[in-house]
Parts: sequence; C-alpha cells; structure tokens
Amino acid sequence: SYELTQPPSLSVSPGQTATITCSGDALPKQFAYWYQQKPGQAPVVVIYKDTERPSGIPERFSGSSSGTTVTLTITGVQAEDEADYYCQSADTGGTYHFFGGGTKVTV
Amino acid sequence: QVQLQQSGPGLVKPSQTLSLTCAISGDNVSSDSATWNWIRQSPSRGLEWLGRTYYRSRTSQWYHDYGLSLESRIAINPDISENRFSLQLNSVTPEDTALYYCARAAYDSRGYGYGMDVWGQGTTVTVSS
Repeated sequence: SYELTQPPSLSVSPGQTATITCSGDALPKQFAYWYQQKPGQAPVVVIYKDTERPSGIPERFSGSSSGTTVTLTITGVQAEDEADYYCQSADTGGTYHFFGGGTKVTV
Repeated sequence: QVQLQQSGPGLVKPSQTLSLTCAISGDNVSSDSATWNWIRQSPSRGLEWLGRTYYRSRTSQWYHDYGLSLESRIAINPDISENRFSLQLNSVTPEDTALYYCARAAYDSRGYGYGMDVWGQGTTVTVSS
C-alpha cells in the first residue's frame, strides 16, 4: 500500500521557520495538499496543488515540491500555528487517496 | 457557504453495520466539480481516507472509489433527492472505532483539486457490545 512519510514532531520557537517534509513515490505525478488540525477541530486546507494558498490562509504558509518530496514551510511561526499538520495526496492513478502520519508542531 | 452536517449513531455493536449520513447545504451532491468523501481518524491509524462518490455529467455516471483495506466492507452512496451522501461499513470490529468525517473535495474546470475544503463536524463512533 502507498505511504506518505512525515516526521512525527517538530519544535520551533516563535518567529522561527518551521519546515515539514512529506515523501511519497507518487508525488512527482500527483499534487499534494497540506492540512492544519487543531485539537477538537476538523482539518483545514492550508496549501493545495503543492504550492497554492487558499484565501484566508496567512502568507507565512508556503509549499514547495521537488521529486518525491513536498514541503510545507511556515515562516515566522506564531503561537497560533501550534497544531498537527498532515499531507495528503493520491496514488499514481489518482484513484486512491492517502494521508501522511501527521507532524505535531510545537511552538 | 457550503456546509456539511453529519448524523448517525455513536455506538455500534461488533459485526453490525455502521451507517452515517452527510447532508450538504450550499452545493449539490451531483456537482461536476466536487467529490464527496469519508475519512476517519483514530490514534492508531491517524487520518484514513475511506472512499468517495461523485458524478460526472460528461458520462452521466456515478463513480465510487474505496480505500483498498476496506473495499469489501464499505459502500458510499449519494441520495440525490435529499442532497446528501452516506457511509455504510459492514461487519465492524472494535478496530473501526474512530472519529468519522465527511468532506468535500473541490476541483477547478481543468480537474485540478483544491483539496478537501469543507468538512463535517465529525462523529465519534465506538464499536462495542
């Protein structure tokens, strides 16, 4: 079965940069999406199509892609960014969708 | 503003069928630019995509895709008259205990996705006798 691999946790000081990676064999062929989930809430899309930011998401959130790895970067981390972050993508055929294991960001 | 409202029981006995419904407001289950998904979340499995249903007018067909690990036990169906979609998971075990979400995945005119941009409120389902 296809897997998306993320680091389980990351600790960052306020104002610093948080970088979260997600690796998967199909990522060169399928777009990746990033979700932020805070306790007791449903996930929220913060990046779509590898690099696009939905309206209402702060500019400090950005995404990039290189080969089999996509990256979510939070520049100038704020206390409110403390959350779990998940990448999501599909298999090469685009039929089956998968989530990464999630990265807990502690500020 | 698109909203999804989930309903269904929070307790299911082992070997029985888990049934949840997701009512859509502000969009249409037959939309050409969306798919309608079920996802669950548990400490042991994290976020797990269960499957989706969607309609495409160019083929006049409904499509259903299911996660490989559940393919034999799951059904996701639209209810056009009520503008909602449902999840049925058969022969449940305690391992199916999780927080279940419905979600819309939206697409642009070229078929590129915006991600799962609208989520239901979540339903905690416990499988126990």
